[in-house]
Amino acid sequence: AQSVTQLGSHVSVSEGALVLLRCNYSSSVPPYLFWYVQYPNQGLQLLLKYTSAATLVKGINGFEAEFKKSETSFHLTKPSAHMSDAAEYFCAVGLKGNTPLVFGKGTRLSVIA
Amino acid sequence: KAGVTQTPRYLIKTRGQQVTLSCSPISGHRSVSWYQQTPGQGLQFLFEYFSETQRNKGNFPGRFSGRQFSNSRSEMNVSTLELGDSALYLCASSLDFEQYFGPGTRLTVT
Repeated sequence: AQSVTQLGSHVSVSEGALVLLRCNYSSSVPPYLFWYVQYPNQGLQLLLKYTSAATLVKGINGFEAEFKKSETSFHLTKPSAHMSDAAEYFCAVGLKGNTPLVFGKGTRLSVIA
Repeated sequence: KAGVTQTPRYLIKTRGQQVTLSCSPISGHRSVSWYQQTPGQGLQFLFEYFSETQRNKGNFPGRFSGRQFSNSRSEMNVSTLELGDSALYLCASSLDFEQYFGPGTRLTVT
């Protein structure tokens, strides 16, 4: 069975600083990987996805993530944090064959002015 | 294209009652999944419906049930509500493997 570990339940960065949110996965077969963002009182919005094509994936709002098979990681980065990036971020892993997504516990990102 | 809609957005029920939540997927999407989100447990998968059939099921008691209609709209039902059922219930629709989430229904059980 697949699983996801997000390191750090809360990350705080200054406005303009690099954002790095960590995600490690466990899967016995090549996975699909996703990052979602959730703003207060809203559902989850897809930021980006990896589906076995390019290992560096670019998403919305300036975010990107790199799939590293050797490290079983899919960390999310953004060069310069903006106040509007403050939200909860979820990493998820899925497999081919219509199996349910498995989500990490989430990382709350705070951006300090 | 309209997104996933969920009704109602907020609900307050008392213990022992039952509740029905509704989800309308994105047009053309045949798969609908339901998740429970709580601060302690995070996002937990409830079940998935595809073409009116339950295709996957999470580890929840039988009090949690769902169904899907021919137009792909889905409902989930929770009977004999417990305090621990208080949560944000999220519905997601998908065409392939990418899931699109609705805004959720916030259920409070008192």
